Formats: sequence, structure tokens, C-alpha cells
Amino acid sequence: DSGVTQTPKHLITATGQRVTLRCSPRSGDLSVYWYQQSLDQGLQFLIQYYNGEERAKGNILERFSAQQFPDLHSELNLSSLELGDSALYFCASSVGGMVQGASTGELFFGEGSRLTVL
Amino acid sequence: GENVEQHPSTLSVQEGDSAVIKCTYSDSASNYFPWYKQELGKRPQLIIDIRSNVGEKKDQRIAVTLNKTAKHFSLHITETQPEDSAVYFCAASLYNQGGKLIFGQGTELSVKP
Repeated sequence: DSGVTQTPKHLITATGQRVTLRCSPRSGDLSVYWYQQSLDQGLQFLIQYYNGEERAKGNILERFSAQQFPDLHSELNLSSLELGDSALYFCASSVGGMVQGASTGELFFGEGSRLTVL
Repeated sequence: GENVEQHPSTLSVQEGDSAVIKCTYSDSASNYFPWYKQELGKRPQLIIDIRSNVGEKKDQRIAVTLNKTAKHFSLHITETQPEDSAVYFCAASLYNQGGKLIFGQGTELSVKP
């Protein structure tokens, strides 16, 4: 158990719909990262938040958005869903930050949310 | 931004043989290079990592080497076992800035009994 919790584990929806994926980081971790893993694909970085602020953005579509709340949990919102959005979405957390020695670099991954768009 | 290339995409070995997976990175500022193992349908899990001030690190049957000049690093697994079968990902980041991990494309390792 990594300590990172993601819900829901599985989600089936139709094209054009909107879904929200939720992530609770490990206790004490300030950084949250979202990754997308499509079938037979690698781990594509979407976005990173640190202590409520957006820190880095990857190849995240405009139809997708995310935020990190004051209690440090994060949500990834996917809208106007297309068949190609079907994937496993991972959340990861780390201590993060700019404080020397505070970050080991390791990311701890949740079990993922498997999204199927029909 | 950082780009990580990983080879080979698939690797099949006999039980007991060694396996080597290679990665190159583009950003010379990257200073942290972890390797993650992902079993089918599971989350990626860290198996070994190395920082830029170290050239080699070993943990039992697993070792990682880093060549900063050439900007490449490798994973070596010795005495492979069937339970080593999985997808392995290399990655790079700036660890002391809480940096995101940029992953390679992954290597599917199959160890045949």
C-alpha cells in the first residue's frame, strides 16, 4: 500500500460526458502528479500541483483540468470525453517542494482509476 | 523539456540469464533517475534509483549505472526469475526541486522458465 488513494477504481461512461477522478496523497506529501496510461502506452505526465498551486503542466488536453484543494487532495476533471480518453489514470504524490533535503525524488503511485469511454 | 528514450521495448530472456535495459535523457540538469516496475494492471513501484552524484548503485540482483557525460543510464538484472516478468520504466527528474518524473516508453520483460 503506497498510501495514495484514488477513487473511483473503475468508471464506464459515454462519449461527450464529464467525469471527476479523485486523489488523496500520502500523509505529509505536498505534491500531487497526474499521469495517463493508455493501452500499451507509457506513463504520460499531465499536470503537477504543489501545496495548492499548479507547478508543472505536461501534455494535458484543454478538455482536462485539475486542482488541488486546501486539504491537499486533488481532482482531475475530464470533459467532452472521447473514445481515445479511455485509459488508466494514475495519481502520485511526493514530499515535493524546494526545501533542500525534503524531497527524495520518489513518487508514490495510487492504484489508478480505469476510465472506459463507450 | 526533458525527453527520455528507452530501449528495447520488449525483452525476452531465459530464467537465470541477465537482462539490460537502456535509457537516454535530454536535459543535462536532471539529477534523479529512478526505475519503476509495473505488473499487469498494477501501479508502478520503485525498484531502484540513482542520483547524478553516483555512477553505480546495486541492490541484490538489480543494479543501475549512470553516465552523465553521455546522458544515459541502464538497469541490469542478474539471475532473472519468472517473477521479474513485468514492464519496466526508467525516468528522469530534478529531485531537489520536487520535479515531475518524465518516463521512458517502457520495456516489457518476459522471463521464460
